[in-house]
Amino acid sequence: DAMVIQNPRYQVTQFGKPVTLSCSQTLNHNVMYWYQQKSSQAPKLLFHYYDKDFNNEADTPDNFQSRRPNTSFCFLDIRSPGLGDAAMYLCATSVGTSDYGYTFGSGTRLTVV
Amino acid sequence: EDQVTQSPEALRLQEGESSSLNCSYTVSGLRGLFWYRQDPGKGPEFLFTLYSAGEEKEKERLKATLTKKESFLHITAPKPEDSATYLCAVQGNNDMRFGAGTRLTVKP
Repeated sequence: DAMVIQNPRYQVTQFGKPVTLSCSQTLNHNVMYWYQQKSSQAPKLLFHYYDKDFNNEADTPDNFQSRRPNTSFCFLDIRSPGLGDAAMYLCATSVGTSDYGYTFGSGTRLTVV
Repeated sequence: EDQVTQSPEALRLQEGESSSLNCSYTVSGLRGLFWYRQDPGKGPEFLFTLYSAGEEKEKERLKATLTKKESFLHITAPKPEDSATYLCAVQGNNDMRFGAGTRLTVKP
């Protein structure tokens, strides 16, 4: 089945130690998104790629970076995780800036110790 | 700025007890209003898109409606397996903006 896959499902990292989360998709969607979701809160958009064009939200901390080496893969890099970065990180894809909804992965739960 | 407010934050129902979830929104140039279901520890799962006031969509026990200011997700005769968080999101001229969700619990 075509889908969005996030790895790992759970990630524990040390305070200040760089960490990378990955997302792959078999849908051939041209837009990929990274959201941060904290407990009982709305998913918050960090950035997205429209094809190869990177779009950063104005309030996304510089600590967060992203790479999209090809259509299928997208990575979220957190350069120096703090305790406040503990959250669920969701990857999503869409066709264009879609009027048809996004397809989400199952998320990566990040714990910072 | 686009804004989405969902109420109530949490809702507990008995099996078979119908109810409605509310999503109030302000958006510049609505292109679509979306409902998602999110199970604990998982990503949101797409349910419906509504594009214009007066539109309605149905899926099993769920029915979504849309006005110019709000959307309702009606749940008819819910079952325990309907327990989840239901997220509303709007797509305007900017990126999709989500509400914080309504956490629904259906007791047998």
